[in-house]
Amino acid sequence: AQSVTQLGSHVSVSEGALVLLRCNYSSSVPPYLFWYVQYPNQGLQLLLKYTSAATLVKGINGFEAEFKKSETSFHLTKPSAHMSDAAEYFCAVSARNTNAGKSTFGDGTTLTVKP
Amino acid sequence: DGGITQSPKYLFRKEGQNVTLSCEQNLNHDAMYWYRQDPGQGLRLIYYSQIVNDFQKGDIAEGYSVSREKKESFPLTVTSAQKNPTAFYLCASSNRQGPYTFGSGTRLTVV
Repeated sequence: AQSVTQLGSHVSVSEGALVLLRCNYSSSVPPYLFWYVQYPNQGLQLLLKYTSAATLVKGINGFEAEFKKSETSFHLTKPSAHMSDAAEYFCAVSARNTNAGKSTFGDGTTLTVKP
Repeated sequence: DGGITQSPKYLFRKEGQNVTLSCEQNLNHDAMYWYRQDPGQGLRLIYYSQIVNDFQKGDIAEGYSVSREKKESFPLTVTSAQKNPTAFYLCASSNRQGPYTFGSGTRLTVV
């Protein structure tokens, strides 16, 4: 069984400030972890993925995430927010070593960037 | 370029009418998925298919039906039994444990 919890359904930051979106997971087997971004009226787009190589994963648009097994976390960060980062962000987990690739998604976090 | 295409982008349904949403992928992905998204809510899984001619119900399958006759195609039918179909529908595909590739979505409205 696997699950994802995104802490904070809404996060607001000022332009230029640090972005931190929190994700904790639960998985009975080693997981793959993903972050996606969704802009209004569009599909989700992959930001980055953790598949067991480096624990610090760099993604597109300056985002990165760190896999911390001891904390079962995969928080998404960006040093300096841009107005264009305003969107909804989803964390997802899928179980490794299974034939079933179905991911479990968190409920999403809406990021607002204030000028 | 490979990708996943959903059509139409906007769809209007009359009361009691069945409508079909199209989803086609040319990524050679084995698995395909349908999700429903309502305002302020996350993704809710309707149906998924991991191989051709096989599919499983997700969390909210009632009032929906699917088919998977070809690897590339996974159409979703919203039947008259679905009493509140107005929503944004997303199709996705993936390989084993891989990240999902999503379509651009279909917005369905009941008129």
